[in-house]
Amino acid sequence: QVKLLQSGAALVKPGASVKMSCKASGYTFTDYWVSWVKQSHGKSLEWIGEIYPNSGATNFNEKFKGKATLTVDKSTSTAYMELSRLTSEDSAIYYCTLMYTTDYFDYWGQGVMVTVSS
Amino acid sequence: DTVLTQSPALAVSPGERVSISCRASEGVNSYMHWYQQKPGQQPKLLIYKASNLASGVPARFSGSGSGTDFTLTIDPVEADDTATYFCQQSWNDPYTFGAGTKLELK
Repeated sequence: QVKLLQSGAALVKPGASVKMSCKASGYTFTDYWVSWVKQSHGKSLEWIGEIYPNSGATNFNEKFKGKATLTVDKSTSTAYMELSRLTSEDSAIYYCTLMYTTDYFDYWGQGVMVTVSS
Repeated sequence: DTVLTQSPALAVSPGERVSISCRASEGVNSYMHWYQQKPGQQPKLLIYKASNLASGVPARFSGSGSGTDFTLTIDPVEADDTATYFCQQSWNDPYTFGAGTKLELK
């Protein structure tokens, strides 16, 4: 079955960067877009961007351009997101999610809580 | 960006029928999807493309609408349905989500 297993919680200092992972299993990793979604505490969901593992092509929400970098390691079926120049506004839960059937997010990772604090 | 507007909260009694609305600021064709999120969990897909039930989701859940106005209906509501429900559109770039409707049981 399809699974997305994300890395553990992170506590990072303002101005630093954080890189999180999303290990996929149960399907052909290179064939489907992987998206990342932000959920600030008690708030709604924001789509950050997506990556197509086969080619490395990416699409971003304009709001997150320059903030998020998406990469993949095809050898380990793992997607990564790096967030840079962190501020308190970046404290949130970040989910990786999969458009397996196209057009909607049918599989989600368990989420990574990122806390930005000195 | 396409703004999706949902009512913030609803309270219903078990066994009742509840409808949760989502209005888009511009047309999204039928590319509206619904997710359920319980505290401490990731969102779970309930309905895709306005009216299609996702795999494993009870038939008590249904969706309707097209264009700019969409509805998620739960009939009958059960205690386990306590959660926040989000709509999401994938017709316009970027993908956007509604603010969520928190469903509480009386």
